[in-house]
Amino acid sequence: GQQVMQIPQYQHVQEGEDFTTYCNSSTTLSNIQWYKQRPGGHPVFLIQLVKSGEVKKQKRLTFQFGEAKKNSSLHITATQTTDVGTYFCAVIRFNKFYFGSGTKLNVKP
Amino acid sequence: DSGVTQTPKHLITATGQRVTLRCSPRSGDLSVYWYQQSLDQGLQFLIQYYNGEERAKGNILERFSAQQFPDLHSELNLSSLELGDSALYFCASSAYLAGGKVYEQFFGPGTRLTVL
Repeated sequence: GQQVMQIPQYQHVQEGEDFTTYCNSSTTLSNIQWYKQRPGGHPVFLIQLVKSGEVKKQKRLTFQFGEAKKNSSLHITATQTTDVGTYFCAVIRFNKFYFGSGTKLNVKP
Repeated sequence: DSGVTQTPKHLITATGQRVTLRCSPRSGDLSVYWYQQSLDQGLQFLIQYYNGEERAKGNILERFSAQQFPDLHSELNLSSLELGDSALYFCASSAYLAGGKVYEQFFGPGTRLTVL
C-alpha cells in the first residue's frame, strides 16, 4: 500500500514565488528524508529529519517535520530557475525505502 | 559526482532477453539499493544488500534478481524482459543502516533500459 502521500504532483510558479510540497503518512514515522532530482539527473539527498517538530533550513529551503511525525513539508522561498526539478520525500520502514510520488516543480523566468 | 558508478548508461534489448546492470558503490559504503523509475514516475524500491547479504526486498519481480559481491559491487539481473520493464534503474549506496539510524543514500547516474 501507499506508505507516504506527496502533494501536489505538479507545481508551476513564476520565478520569485514561493513553493511548498507536502508528504503525509497514516502512521508515525521514525524519520523522513528529502531528495531533489533535476531533469535527466539522479536523486540527490537534501536532508533528513528525525525529531518531532523539527525545522531545518538550507538557504532558501525550509524543511519541517510534524509534531506527530506523520507529515513533513519542504518550502522554497523566492524560487529560482535552478530550483527546477522533482522533489521526493522518502521514509524507511523495516529497512525498506518508500519514496513519495514526487512534486515536479517548474519555474518560469 | 556521487561516487556511485553504474554501467551501462544505456541498454537497448528485445523482449524475452536477459540483461545485467552493474553498480559500484561509494568507497566504504556497505549498503546498496536498487530502484526502478518508469517514465515520469516515482522511485520504486526493488532490493537492498548490506555487506553481501540481502537485507530488504521491495516490489521486485521474480524475473529480477540481484547480488552483492565481496568487493561490494552489485549486479541486478533482469530476465524474460517485457516492454513494461523499460525504465531507468538506479543504484544507490549508503554508509550503514542499523539500529534505527538511517544514512543518506547516494545515487548513481542510472541505467536507462529500453525493451523493444
